[in-house]
Amino acid sequence: QLQLQESGPGLVKPSETLSLTCTVSGGSFSNRDYYWGWIRQPPGKGLEWIGNIYNSGFNSGNSYYNPSLKSRVTISVEMSKSQSSLRLSSVTAADTAVYYCVRVTHGQYCFDPWGQGTLVTVSS
Amino acid sequence: QSALTQTRSVSGFPGQSVTISCTGTGSDVGGYNHVTWYQQHPGKAPKLMIYNVNERPSGVPDRFSGSKSGYTASLTISGLQADDEADYFCCSYAGDYIYVFGTGTKVTVL
Repeated sequence: QLQLQESGPGLVKPSETLSLTCTVSGGSFSNRDYYWGWIRQPPGKGLEWIGNIYNSGFNSGNSYYNPSLKSRVTISVEMSKSQSSLRLSSVTAADTAVYYCVRVTHGQYCFDPWGQGTLVTVSS
Repeated sequence: QSALTQTRSVSGFPGQSVTISCTGTGSDVGGYNHVTWYQQHPGKAPKLMIYNVNERPSGVPDRFSGSKSGYTASLTISGLQADDEADYFCCSYAGDYIYVFGTGTKVTVL
């Protein structure tokens, strides 16, 4: 059964860069039927799509981001480690959230499964 | 890209049906048949319930059904059960590899 696990610092200082890693196990990370994404949820609030990265086909290596975050976000993959990474620069308290990594299936346009999520707090 | 608009909360008695709406624009819900619904229990990660407007992943009960008309998508839960009490979020593809979520609906089982 495919599992996704987020990891990274739980506390980041304002103006610094948030860095998280998602490790995928129990399935093929390089399968061209899938690509990988990140979603976040501020405490007590709704879900916000951050971005996706494609690792196959004509889109291979291409990443796409929420326009509201695009200037600060980078998503990458490391195929040899079955990992996806998220970097969000110049963070503020508004970036405090639970961050989820997800798999996206070609043709289904849905996020499934989800990692358990990791809370990142931005505070000095 | 603005968040899709969902009713803040709905409630029903066990066995009843409830419907959650998700309203967007022609650039998202109205423009694509790629609306998904997620169920989230407190402290848990969201779970996919419906994709491509009305398709159910394996393991999701057929009490959950989706539909769309114009700029509004809907999720109907029939035969409401206690475990259905959760937050529900819609999400739509919005073109150019972009996705947008709804504001979320709290379902309460009375």
